[in-house]
Amino acid sequence: GAGVSQTPSNKVTEKGKYVELRCDPISGHTALYWYRQSLGQGPEFLIYFQGTGAADDSGLPNDRFFAVRPEGSVSTLKIQRTERGDSAVYLCASSLDPTTDTQYFGPGTRLTVL
Amino acid sequence: DQQVKQNSPSLSVQEGRISILNCDYTNSMFDYFLWYKKYPAEGPTFLISISSIKDKNEDGRFTVFLNKSAKHLSLHIVPSQPGDSAVYFCAASEGSGTYKYIFGTGTRLKVLA
Repeated sequence: GAGVSQTPSNKVTEKGKYVELRCDPISGHTALYWYRQSLGQGPEFLIYFQGTGAADDSGLPNDRFFAVRPEGSVSTLKIQRTERGDSAVYLCASSLDPTTDTQYFGPGTRLTVL
Repeated sequence: DQQVKQNSPSLSVQEGRISILNCDYTNSMFDYFLWYKKYPAEGPTFLISISSIKDKNEDGRFTVFLNKSAKHLSLHIVPSQPGDSAVYFCAASEGSGTYKYIFGTGTRLKVLA
């Protein structure tokens, strides 16, 4: 079956611009997570959705970051006024529900802010 | 403050030998641990997990050992194969139903043919 997909695979933008990163979770997975992986680091939790609602956004670094999941499936991570420090790989994961142990990750979107 | 630490950034092992990847943690509330494997340009793939009620979990060539008193876990791969060459991440959470995984920085394993 299809895994988690993320688009685009690479995104290059200029400082100050707005970007949107998309995640398509595994069909039927109600829980969706965004992580950010900076160079030389492990993935770092950003936000968790259960259905349409953001159940925990405690990992978002500041108010330039926002994510939505309007229909409980596809999610979009939005970054306003991008900064060079936002450059990283943004990973999306999904699971059947939050009590299920395994999170399945997508390939990530590599964001480069020039 | 790194709560999950993988102090060896890289490891090289001969094909057929044992690979041992180590992970230390500082948060005593962690009671569920996972290992993920990551190939270049792909997302992390779940490998094996262990709950704190156990000290060992085995799945084929992969075994995870947990030493709660030392706050240490290790992943053993026997025998190692060239296809095992990847970056391995240790992750921890406070409970098997807790979604917020805290990841280590990873260890790059290279299995030499």
